[in-house]
Amino acid sequence: AQTVTQSQPEMSVQEAETVTLSCTYDTSESDYYLFWYKQPPSRQMILVIRQEAYKQQNATENRFSVNFQKAAKSFSLKISDSQLGDAAMYFCAYRSASGANSKLTFGKGITLSVRP
Amino acid sequence: EAQVTQNPRYLITVTGKKLTVTCSQNMNHEYMSWYRQDPGLGLRQIYYSMNVEVTDKGDVPEGYKVSRKEKRNFPLILESPSPNQTSLYFCASSLSGGRRPQHFGDGTRLSIL
Repeated sequence: AQTVTQSQPEMSVQEAETVTLSCTYDTSESDYYLFWYKQPPSRQMILVIRQEAYKQQNATENRFSVNFQKAAKSFSLKISDSQLGDAAMYFCAYRSASGANSKLTFGKGITLSVRP
Repeated sequence: EAQVTQNPRYLITVTGKKLTVTCSQNMNHEYMSWYRQDPGLGLRQIYYSMNVEVTDKGDVPEGYKVSRKEKRNFPLILESPSPNQTSLYFCASSLSGGRRPQHFGDGTRLSIL
């Protein structure tokens, strides 16, 4: 079974600074997808960024980018130029590319606070 | 507007009183799933459905039932709720295939007293 580990329960960043959220995962599969979801206080689950394991190039979405290290099974999220609206809980998630169940396996989440 | 709609958003009820949380999507998605979110545990899958009349257990199915009689609807049924089912519940849907992004509902906060 796949597992996703987010070892830091909380992090804090100064507005306009850069912060990196860590995530590691364990799988025996070679083809899969990795995601970062943001959950603000409104508790919506918002997809931030997606990475396909077969792509070597790291995904980027505006101020959000990932550092995907497949051999190390590491998938960190970098937020540049942090804004107050980035304050939220962030979840790392894994999804297999095969099988009938497109289940997302989530980490425990990390609470990010942004200091003005 | 493409969306996944859950109802109710909040519910406080008592042990043993049957309840249903509805989930409806308007995107013609084949795949639908229920998750529960608990502090320190992240989200865990309860049940999922690959299409109409095709459902299967996820990681934490005990105490829950689902049905998929129509493609757009995937209700979650708690026939005899207990306090350990107090949680935040999410419904999600997507087209089939792992690369397809899942669309989440806004969540349902259930409190079982």
